Amino acid sequence: EDKVVQSPLSLVVHEGDTVTLNCSYEVTNFRSLLWYKQEKKAPTFLFMLTSSGIEKKSGRLSSILDKKELFSILNITATQTGDSAIYLCAVDKGAQKLVFGQGTRLTINP
Amino acid sequence: DSGVTQTPKHLITATGQRVTLRCSPRSGDLSVYWYQQSLDQGLQFLIQYYNGEERAKGNILERFSAQQFPDLHSELNLSSLELGDSALYFCASSVDNQELTFGSGTRLTVV
Repeated sequence: EDKVVQSPLSLVVHEGDTVTLNCSYEVTNFRSLLWYKQEKKAPTFLFMLTSSGIEKKSGRLSSILDKKELFSILNITATQTGDSAIYLCAVDKGAQKLVFGQGTRLTINP
Repeated sequence: DSGVTQTPKHLITATGQRVTLRCSPRSGDLSVYWYQQSLDQGLQFLIQYYNGEERAKGNILERFSAQQFPDLHSELNLSSLELGDSALYFCASSVDNQELTFGSGTRLTVV
């Protein structure tokens, strides 16, 4: 059975801290791994990772994939209250459907 | 505004009833996906349509059905509703079948 597991499920930090969110997966026919940020409603796309060891970066957010150990991490440096959200990891199996993890609820306190 | 429009935003209905959720994809996107997000199950893929045809099926119950119309909007029909069907239902669209753009969702409450 395909599985995407995120940890931690919930994280509370102070503004300015750096956080690392984890995503491990066991799926057949891996095609890519995607990170989404879900604030009030709709998840919004952050990164798509297909190759191991290549870091993707967007401002204070960065992500990397390890296809040998079957995991990805999402780093957020110098966190701000606007980073508070649920971060979703999903694996595209190549059959036009994504398998999502449970999400990590990140809360940034001022 | 993501460009994906879902209506209604909220829906409260009784057990045993039938509801229809509507989705208009982003302009130019041919694929429409339906996802269910409940507290204990996370985001679960239900079904995908591409240019009017069913392309992939996930964990969709037999009581649920969907279709995509010639103008590419899609409807998700949920019938014989049960309390456990209460969830956020998301529609997403894409042009390349990978990077999804999500709508704001329809919150369904079955009482």
